[in-house]
Amino acid sequence: KAGVTQTPRYLIKTRGQQVTLSCSPISGHRSVSWYQQTPGQGLQFLFEYFSETQRNKGNFPGRFSGRQFSNSRSEMNVSTLELGDSALYLCASSPRTGLDTQYFGPGTRLTVL
Amino acid sequence: GESVGLHLPTLSVQEGDNSIINCAYSNSASDYFIWYKQESGKGPQFIIDIRSNMDKRQGQRVTVLLNKTVKHLSLQIAATQPGDSAVYFCAEGQGAQKLVFGQGTRLTINP
Repeated sequence: KAGVTQTPRYLIKTRGQQVTLSCSPISGHRSVSWYQQTPGQGLQFLFEYFSETQRNKGNFPGRFSGRQFSNSRSEMNVSTLELGDSALYLCASSPRTGLDTQYFGPGTRLTVL
Repeated sequence: GESVGLHLPTLSVQEGDNSIINCAYSNSASDYFIWYKQESGKGPQFIIDIRSNMDKRQGQRVTVLLNKTVKHLSLQIAATQPGDSAVYFCAEGQGAQKLVFGQGTRLTINP
């Protein structure tokens, strides 16, 4: 089975812009979770989508949003980018929602200038 | 590759020795624990997990120990190899809530 794929792998934006990141889960997995990873804060949970519905949400501002499509692919959007949004954004998929082993993609490295 | 963390705790071991990576978790109600390995430039990779009704679980060259009394989790890697160099994260979870990750430990292997 192919693993979790994320596009693009690298992205450079300027403050105030918006960005959309994409994640394709492992075939058959219906849950997609997004995480932000920074040196200072580590891995922080953003949100989880299951069957096109947001099931869990972390403690991030409303500038961070996401959605899931009927084929389980997910997108994450960040609007009005700030310098502090520079991070590695990781997507993880699992067969079910709730506690289940999550399989991570390689991440998208976002740099905000 | 990307830098996962600039100021992580670091464990250095000799190639061939056993490694023990420790993790203190915060929620006494957590009932699921998992270890991930993250190499430079890659996403975290699942290593092994354990549920709270167990205190030990073994995989290939790895063993996870859970001590619920002191809220402590450890990952033991037998016969450490150069390919084991990475950052290791523990994570805890409860019920339908999502995983909460620890800060990570960087494991370096000395030849």
